Amino acid sequence: GAGVSQSPSNKVTEKGKDVELRCDPISGHTALYWYRQSLGQGLEFLIYFQGNSAPDKSGLPSDRFSAERTGGSVSTLTIQRTQQEDSAVYLCASSWASGGAYNEQFFGPGTRLTVL
Amino acid sequence: KQEVTQIPAALSVPEGENLVLNCSFTDSAIYNLQWFRQDPGKGLTSLLLIQSSQREQTSGRLNASLDKSSGRSTLYIAASQPGDSATYLCAVNGNQFYFGTGTSLTVIP
Repeated sequence: GAGVSQSPSNKVTEKGKDVELRCDPISGHTALYWYRQSLGQGLEFLIYFQGNSAPDKSGLPSDRFSAERTGGSVSTLTIQRTQQEDSAVYLCASSWASGGAYNEQFFGPGTRLTVL
Repeated sequence: KQEVTQIPAALSVPEGENLVLNCSFTDSAIYNLQWFRQDPGKGLTSLLLIQSSQREQTSGRLNASLDKSSGRSTLYIAASQPGDSATYLCAVNGNQFYFGTGTSLTVIP
């Protein structure tokens, strides 16, 4: 079956512009996660969804970042008024649920965001 | 807050060697632990998942162990190959996933 997909694969934008990143999870997965990976750094947790609700938004770096999920499927991560420090690879993952011993995350290929 | 540490940060070995990657975590209240590999410019590929009640999992040349009480996991790679060169990440699953910073592995032909 299809894995997690993300679009666009690459995005170059000018400082101050808004960008929207999309994630399509594996069908049937109720949990969806967003991470950010800056050059040479580890994964930084941003937010996760269980269904359409986001129990944990603690990782969002500022109020310029927001995310939503509709229909328990597709999620969009929006960054307003982008800054150069937002440049990173944004990774999305999905899993059957947000907890439990059998819960395994599957990752998409990521969106590489470059803010000029 | 859960903290995950991976040692070493980088490792270079000649082809054919067996090797061990280490992962340690501070909070033993986890559901499971997952090992991933990441190739340059790519997303993460899941290698092995160990449930909190298990002590090890095997897949081909890979063997992962888990000692939850001491907060440690190891990933053993047997007979390493150049194609194993990648960054290896461990993640522990509480109510969210916490990742280590990874071990960059280079296998020299």
